[in-house]
Amino acid sequence: AQSVAQPEDQVNVAEGNPLTVKCTYSVSGNPYLFWYVQYPNRGLQFLLKYITGDNLVKGSYGFEAEFNKSQTSFHLKKPSALVSDSALYFCAVRDPLTGRRALTFGSGTRLQVQP
Amino acid sequence: DGGITQSPKYLFRKEGQNVTLSCEQNLNHDAMYWYRQDPGQGLRLIYYSQIVNDFQKGDIAEGYSVSREKKESFPLTVTSAQKNPTAFYLCASSTGTGYYNEQFFGPGTRLTVL
Repeated sequence: AQSVAQPEDQVNVAEGNPLTVKCTYSVSGNPYLFWYVQYPNRGLQFLLKYITGDNLVKGSYGFEAEFNKSQTSFHLKKPSALVSDSALYFCAVRDPLTGRRALTFGSGTRLQVQP
Repeated sequence: DGGITQSPKYLFRKEGQNVTLSCEQNLNHDAMYWYRQDPGQGLRLIYYSQIVNDFQKGDIAEGYSVSREKKESFPLTVTSAQKNPTAFYLCASSTGTGYYNEQFFGPGTRLTVL
């Protein structure tokens, strides 16, 4: 089975400070990992993904994520937060060994950036 | 949300009624998915389809039904058998069947049972 955990329901950060949104995963094989963002009453927007290769993945809007196999983590980061980054963030995983092509999502982390 | 449309945006249902949520995509994607979103629970998979005229149950299929008669359309029916249908419903699609493909999401339909 594959699963994703987002241990923080909410993350608060001041504008201009670095932000981290945490994600850990559990899979049998090599994971394919994704981050999405959701603004109120909207669908999810794709930010970035890790498939293979460089552990640091760069994505949209200045976000990046670091894949750490030993810690089974895929934390989302941004060097300098903006108020407009305030949203709900979801981590998701696919494990090809399961044969399941649909994504398995974490419960989400709400990011609040204060001016 | 570009390329995937969902309608209606808001839907109200009386208990005992079946309702159908529309999902259309013009991305020429083979795979389509339906998720349900409840507060604090993330997204849960209801049904998915890898190809026209074929679909599989997801994790919470009970009380729901789907069809995939056209590549661009994947409607979801919420039946009266679904005990707690009030939720935000999201449709998604992806190209091909590769595990590395990201999914693209529609804007969602918020269903409320009166």
